[in-house]
Amino acid sequence: EAGVVQSPRYKIIEKKQPVAFWCNPISGHNTLYWYRQNLGQGPELLIRYENEEAVDDSQLPKDRFSAERLKGVDSTLKIQPAELGDSAVYLCASSHGLASKYNEQFFGPGTRLTVL
Amino acid sequence: AQSVTQLDSHVSVSEGTPVLLRCNYSSSYSPSLFWYVQHPNKGLQLLLKYTSAATLVKGINGFEAEFKKSETSFHLTKPSAHMSDAAEYFCVVSDHNDKIIFGKGTRLHILP
Repeated sequence: EAGVVQSPRYKIIEKKQPVAFWCNPISGHNTLYWYRQNLGQGPELLIRYENEEAVDDSQLPKDRFSAERLKGVDSTLKIQPAELGDSAVYLCASSHGLASKYNEQFFGPGTRLTVL
Repeated sequence: AQSVTQLDSHVSVSEGTPVLLRCNYSSSYSPSLFWYVQHPNKGLQLLLKYTSAATLVKGINGFEAEFKKSETSFHLTKPSAHMSDAAEYFCVVSDHNDKIIFGKGTRLHILP
């Protein structure tokens, strides 16, 4: 069984440019998460989807970040425009059910974003 | 509000000696607790999880953790460290409102 797939793995852009990350979760997983992991820190949740509905986007900086999961399967996270402080690893995870109900999250390899 | 504190940012142990990685949490309700491991250039992987069925939880690679409600702790242990255990370890809490909080991580160094 394929794991969580993310692309690209690495991205280097100049500030003020747009960037998009793509995630394909494990088949059958209805819950999808986007995290940001700064260097030397733990992942911070940006947004959580239940199927196609964003049920927790309280930590998503909505002035420049957007996300979508139109058909309840794969998802895209976008930053426009990017700022220097957005340099981080962006992780996607999926699960069959909620973490609050003891369900394991499966993580992709992440996209390492560098903003110059 | 829930929170999680990993008390050590770095831990160094000699190969073959015990490992202790400390985690304290704060939650208004009975939480779900997890330990994840992140090896260099690899994705996060679940080590173990607390499901309220038992306070002592066994995970992969010989790790285990004990849930102590009175101490609000969920420390990770292993009797004998192996070189392959060198990695970053994250304690994670999620409570009834489905908020997920990762600790800042503990980097485990194994000395030969």
